[in-house]
Parts: sequence; structure tokens; C-alpha cells
Amino acid sequence: EDQVTQSPEALRLQEGESSSLNCSYTVSGLRGLFWYRQDPGKGPEFLFTLYSAGEEKEKERLKATLTKKESFLHITAPKPEDSATYLCAVQAQGGSEKLVFGKGTKLTVNP
Amino acid sequence: NAGVTQTPKFQVLKTGQSMTLQCAQDMNHEYMSWYRQDPGMGLRLIHYSVGAGITDQGEVPNGYNVSRSTTEDFPLRLLSAAPSQTSVYFCASSYSGPGYEQYFGPGTRLTVT
Repeated sequence: EDQVTQSPEALRLQEGESSSLNCSYTVSGLRGLFWYRQDPGKGPEFLFTLYSAGEEKEKERLKATLTKKESFLHITAPKPEDSATYLCAVQAQGGSEKLVFGKGTKLTVNP
Repeated sequence: NAGVTQTPKFQVLKTGQSMTLQCAQDMNHEYMSWYRQDPGMGLRLIHYSVGAGITDQGEVPNGYNVSRSTTEDFPLRLLSAAPSQTSVYFCASSYSGPGYEQYFGPGTRLTVT
């Protein structure tokens, strides 16, 4: 069974304090790993797709990396507007048309 | 483009009632899906569709029906509401499959009493 575990469940940072969120996964062949951002009361918003170990993607203060067992979302010098819940999801190979999501990491950045 | 729209935003049902959650997209996307989100559980896939006339079950399909008669619309039907179906429901669409960027609607908050 495909599984996604995100840690920590919640993270509080001061503005400018860099950190990383973790997403570990078990899947029968990875087709893609996805990061989404979700603001309170809204639907998730797509951030990145990673396909193979060693791949990295960047967007503003966010950088996502991928290994064979986990992905990290690095947040450099965060700002209060980066506060949100960050969701990780995986798609398995073999024609799967489904995503399996983790429970998310709630990030709070204090000014 | 309006993107993905969902109606209603809020709904309260009594146990045993039925209702339909509406979802529409104007991006000509082939893939559409329904998720539910519960505290501490993350997003769980209910049903999905890879094109008009084609639907399939996700992780938690029991108690829900879907149909896809047009590319634009993907309604979710609750047949006989139960308190366990109290949740926030999100509809999403993408160009072709979940491996493409999925666009999520704003959600419907459903309470079953």
C-alpha cells in the first residue's frame, strides 16, 4: 500500500529563519511526487512536481528535493506570507490515476 | 477563466438525506476528481474521471456516486447522508491525469447531523 508521511506536523519559525519540511514515502515505483500549498479555508495550490532522485525545483523562497525514499521542502528566509499547510503527494507507476496525500505540515512564520 | 467552481460552499444535512455537490471547470481538462479532507486524515480520493463517460473509484468511494456526462461537470452525489460524511469536499481538475498540475476548487463544507 502506498504511504506518505510528513513531518513535523506543525512548525513555527521566526521570519528569516530557514528550515525544511520532510515527506517520506513508500510506493511501488514512483511516477511523481508533488508538493501543494493550502491556505486556511481554501483548496490546495500546486507548487512542484519531482520525478526522479536527485531532482530539484525552486520557486521564490522554496526549493524541493527528492531522494529514493523522501522529499524535502526547504524554505529559505521565510516571510509571514509563507504561513500555510504544505501537502505532499505521490503517484505510483503502473498506470495509476490516483494521488496519495500525506497529512501535511502546518507552517507558521512569525514576524 | 473561472477555474474550478464548487457549489454550495456550506451545507447542513440530516442523516438519511441525499444531495449533490456540484463541480465545474472551464479549462477543458480531461481529468477530474473528488477528495474529502478530514482533520488529521489528509486528502483522500473519493472518485475520479479520466474523461467524459469514464469514472472510477478512489480510496473511499462508499456512500458516494459520480457521473461525467460532459467534460465540464463532475457532480458528487451523497445517496443517504451519514454523520461520518461530515467533511470538507474538494473537486480538482487537471489536463490529463493527476500527474499534471491539479487545480482545486474552493471546497464545500458539509455537516451531517
